[in-house]
Amino acid sequence: EAGVTQFPSHSVIEKGQTVTLRCDPISGHDNLYWYRRVMGKEIKFLLHFVKESKQDESGMPNNRFLAERTGGTYSTLKVQPAELEDSGVYFCASSQAPDRILSEQYFGPGTRLTVT
Amino acid sequence: AQTVTQSQPEMSVQEAETVTLSCTYDTSESDYYLFWYKQPPSRQMILVIRQEAYKQQNATENRFSVNFQKAAKSFSLKISDSQLGDAAMYFCASFISNFGNEKLTFGTGTRLTIIP
Repeated sequence: EAGVTQFPSHSVIEKGQTVTLRCDPISGHDNLYWYRRVMGKEIKFLLHFVKESKQDESGMPNNRFLAERTGGTYSTLKVQPAELEDSGVYFCASSQAPDRILSEQYFGPGTRLTVT
Repeated sequence: AQTVTQSQPEMSVQEAETVTLSCTYDTSESDYYLFWYKQPPSRQMILVIRQEAYKQQNATENRFSVNFQKAAKSFSLKISDSQLGDAAMYFCASFISNFGNEKLTFGTGTRLTIIP
């Protein structure tokens, strides 16, 4: 079974440009999460989808970040326009919790974003 | 709000020896879960061990065990018979499952080096 995949693995962009990160969760997983780790700091929650609906987006830093999950499958996270402080590693995770039972979150390898 | 603190940015241990990674947390919830995740270099994060807060018995997974002190809000990870493959970033995390608020809260991580 394929794990969570993320694309690209690395992205280097200039301040003011736009970048779109993609996450493909494990097939059948309704829950999809985005997290971010800024260098040397903790991994922070950004948002949580249940199927195509945003369940919790309390961790989104500001309105320069837009997340979508088309048809409840893959998800994209767009940063527009990117700022220097957006640099970090963006992780995606998915889980299957049909009866709201705690289910393990499986993580992707992350996308390392560098804004110069 | 949940907080997780890992006070050891880096640790090292001789191969075959035992090492303990520290983690403290803070939560006002009575029902929560605690995790240790491992991220090897250039690879994705995987779950090492989990502990349900309502269980008094410490979780164990082969060479990995935890010392869960609920009153002290401490959750340390012990790795016995350390192996070269244990070299990784280790993240401690907490999870509470309230509807609409399901997310992992991470610490800043501990980088573990195994000395051959």
